[in-house]
Order: sequence, then structure tokens, then C-alpha cells
Amino acid sequence: AQSVTQLDSQVPVFEEAPVELRCNYSSSVSVYLFWYVQYPNQGLQLLLKYLSGSTLVKGINGFEAEFNKSQTSFHLRKPSVHISDTAEYFCAVRAIYNFNKFYFGSGTKLNVKP
Amino acid sequence: KAGVTQTPRYLIKTRGQQVTLSCSPISGHRSVSWYQQTPGQGLQFLFEYFSETQRNKGNFPGRFSGRQFSNSRSEMNVSTLELGDSALYLCASSLGTGVDFEAFFGQGTRLTVV
Repeated sequence: AQSVTQLDSQVPVFEEAPVELRCNYSSSVSVYLFWYVQYPNQGLQLLLKYLSGSTLVKGINGFEAEFNKSQTSFHLRKPSVHISDTAEYFCAVRAIYNFNKFYFGSGTKLNVKP
Repeated sequence: KAGVTQTPRYLIKTRGQQVTLSCSPISGHRSVSWYQQTPGQGLQFLFEYFSETQRNKGNFPGRFSGRQFSNSRSEMNVSTLELGDSALYLCASSLGTGVDFEAFFGQGTRLTVV
């Protein structure tokens, strides 16, 4: 099985400041890695994914994440946040052979202040 | 293309009753997974259906069941509802085979058990 740990349950940050949301995972098999965003009373929207190749992946809305195999981490970053980025962010893993079975972290609430 | 559609969006049921939730996946997608999201337990995998067969199952009691129809639409049923079943239920749609790297989530059904 796989597991995901998101180290921060809440991250307050001022608008236009940089932010990093941390994610560590554990798995005995090869996995794909994902970041999803959830706005209040909404489903999950994919921000970005790591499948293979370059360890730096870019996603929507200016987000990027870096895969570090040795540290089993997949931290999400944005150089300058906006008020509209206020939401909950979930890191997830999926075994490459398990098409639609995700393991999610507990989520990080990003609160962007003016 | 149309996204994943979940109905109803909101539901209030009484303890002991049963409930059925519906999920229509993206056209051409054959895999539908269901997740339960609660503040205490986060996002937990319930089960996955692919081509009308349950392919993966999470650690939920037998009160939680599902099925998938030939048009890939899926239903989830919870019998003998308990207060702890109050949650946001999300379904995710994906190709389920071959080059399948991404799942698309619906907006969820908010179930409240009173």
C-alpha cells in the first residue's frame, strides 16, 4: 500500500508572497504523484502530476512541484500567490498499475491574506 | 467535453435509512472510483468499478456497495445509515486502461445523516 503525509495542515501567507506546501509519500511500488486543489463545496481539480522524466513539473495557475526520489517528497510551490489561491490542497499517489485508486494526504489549507 | 456528473448534490437522510448516489463519468471513460471525504478521516477510497466489475475495494463495511452499468454510469449505495456516514462522496472517472494517467473528479454529493 501507499501513504501520503502532508506536513502542514494550514499555511497562512500574504498575497504576492511565495509558498511551499510539503508532501512526503511512502510506497513499496512505483507510483505516480499528483497535486489536487479543492475549493469549498467543490470536487478536486488536478493542478499537476509527475509520471516520469524531469523532476520539476509545472501545472496550472503558476504552480510547480519537484519530485525528490531519495527524500520521497513532492513539494508544491508557487512564487507569488493570489487571494484566489485560497483553497485546500491535496497531495496524492497512485500505483502505476492501479488506474483509479488514489491515496491522499490529509490536505493543507492555504489561506492567502491581503 | 462534459465533466463528471454526480447527483444529487445534497442529501439529508435519517439514521437507519439507505441511500443511492449516482455518478456519470466522462464519455469514453470506463473506470469509476468512489471516495468518502470527512473532516476526521480525510479522503478515503471506497471502491473502483471498471467495465461493470469491481476491480478494487477499500476498507469499508459491507453496508457500502456499488455497481456499474453498461454505459459506465455508477451508483453507490449505503444501507442502514449511521451518523458517521455523513460526508462528501466524490467519484472519479478515468480511462482505466492503457495510457491512463489522470482521473477527473465530480463535484460530489454531500450526504447528511440525522
